Amino acid sequence: QVQLVQSGAEVKKPGASVKVSCKASGYAFTSHAITWVRQAPGQGLEWMGWISAYNYNTNYAQRFQGRVTMTTDTSTSTAYMELRSLRSDDTAVYYCARGDMLTFGGFAPPPPAEYFHHWGQGTLVTVSS
Amino acid sequence: DIQMTQSPSSLSASVGDRVTITCRASHNIKTYLNWYQQKPGKAPELLIYAASSLQSGVPSRFSGSGYGTDFTLTISSLQPEDFATYYCQQSYNMPRAFGQGTKVEVK
Repeated sequence: QVQLVQSGAEVKKPGASVKVSCKASGYAFTSHAITWVRQAPGQGLEWMGWISAYNYNTNYAQRFQGRVTMTTDTSTSTAYMELRSLRSDDTAVYYCARGDMLTFGGFAPPPPAEYFHHWGQGTLVTVSS
Repeated sequence: DIQMTQSPSSLSASVGDRVTITCRASHNIKTYLNWYQQKPGKAPELLIYAASSLQSGVPSRFSGSGYGTDFTLTISSLQPEDFATYYCQQSYNMPRAFGQGTKVEVK
């Protein structure tokens, strides 16, 4: 069965960096992209970015550009999200999710639709002095 | 960037009620819209993808509809396990924005 297992909780000081891992199993790792989503305490879900496990292409949310790096290691089927220059408002639970794609048939089909059925358990990152 | 706006932000309902949550996109996203349920301390769970396709294993009391900019998630008869927060999310382009969430509470 598909599983995404994330690394454990972290406590960091402002200005530091954190690297969260997401180990995948139960499927061909390079066949699906990985998306990172975070959730601050009591707040909603925030899309951070996306990485193709096939060709390493990335797409980051504008607000994280320059502070975040998403990578994958196909030898261990693990995705990583590194966030630098941490601030107190980066305190959140960070989730990884596997992208699944609904493809459409017919002549000149539209682009596939991505959705997230498989999620990691979340990693709490606390930023505090 | 496409903005997703849900309404209401919260609602109170009773077991057996019909519940409707609305999601509006700032641009035409066709049917590139997903719905998730989240309970406290848990990762989100996929309910509906591509606006109206029910994820396998999700009870049939959940349904989704809509096209373009206006979408709805309907729970036909609210069950005790449905008290949770619901999020819409667009997958038309990146960034794949989420709505702000709708919390369904016990009346």
